[in-house]
Amino acid sequence: AQSVAQPEDQVNVAEGNPLTVKCTYSVSGNPYLFWYVQYPNRGLQFLLKYITGDNLVKGSYGFEAEFNKSQTSFHLKKPSALVSDSALYFCAVRNNNAGNMLTFGGGTRLMVKP
Amino acid sequence: EAQVTQNPRYLITVTGKKLTVTCSQNMNHEYMSWYRQDPGLGLRQIYYSMNVEATDKGDVPEGYKVSRKEKRNFPLILESPSPNQTSLYFCASSRGTGAYEQYFGPGTRLTVT
Repeated sequence: AQSVAQPEDQVNVAEGNPLTVKCTYSVSGNPYLFWYVQYPNRGLQFLLKYITGDNLVKGSYGFEAEFNKSQTSFHLKKPSALVSDSALYFCAVRNNNAGNMLTFGGGTRLMVKP
Repeated sequence: EAQVTQNPRYLITVTGKKLTVTCSQNMNHEYMSWYRQDPGLGLRQIYYSMNVEATDKGDVPEGYKVSRKEKRNFPLILESPSPNQTSLYFCASSRGTGAYEQYFGPGTRLTVT
């Protein structure tokens, strides 16, 4: 069975500082990995994904994520946090071999303080 | 505007009273899915559909039914709701599985008393 772990329920960072939201995964075969963001009272929005190739993936709103196969991780990063980045972030994984199931982590709340 | 719509957005009901949450997408997507979101548990997949008349169970299908008679619609049916189905429900769609990202509806907050 595939699974995703987001070890931090909440990450606090000061505006202007770099941020990292951690994600590790377990899946048979090669993974497709996704990050989504959820703002209050809204549905999830797609941020970025890893399919294959370059381990550093760039996405929306200045976010990027680094795929590390040996550590089975896909951490979300941003060089300089904004207060408006405060939201709930979800990592998700799908098996790339006819994988129909998309499995989400428990979510990490990012709080960016002025 | 490309979107996934859900109705109703909020629903309070009583145990055992059948209800349906509708989901519709206007992007001609093949794949549709229902999730429930509970604090600390993230999103858990209830059912998904690869195409019309093709549905399959996700991680937590007990107590739910779905149908996919038309490509654009994917209603979620609770035949006999129970309090443990109180949750925030999301419908999502995508062009396919694999590497395709999903587009989510705004959510339906269901309370079963």
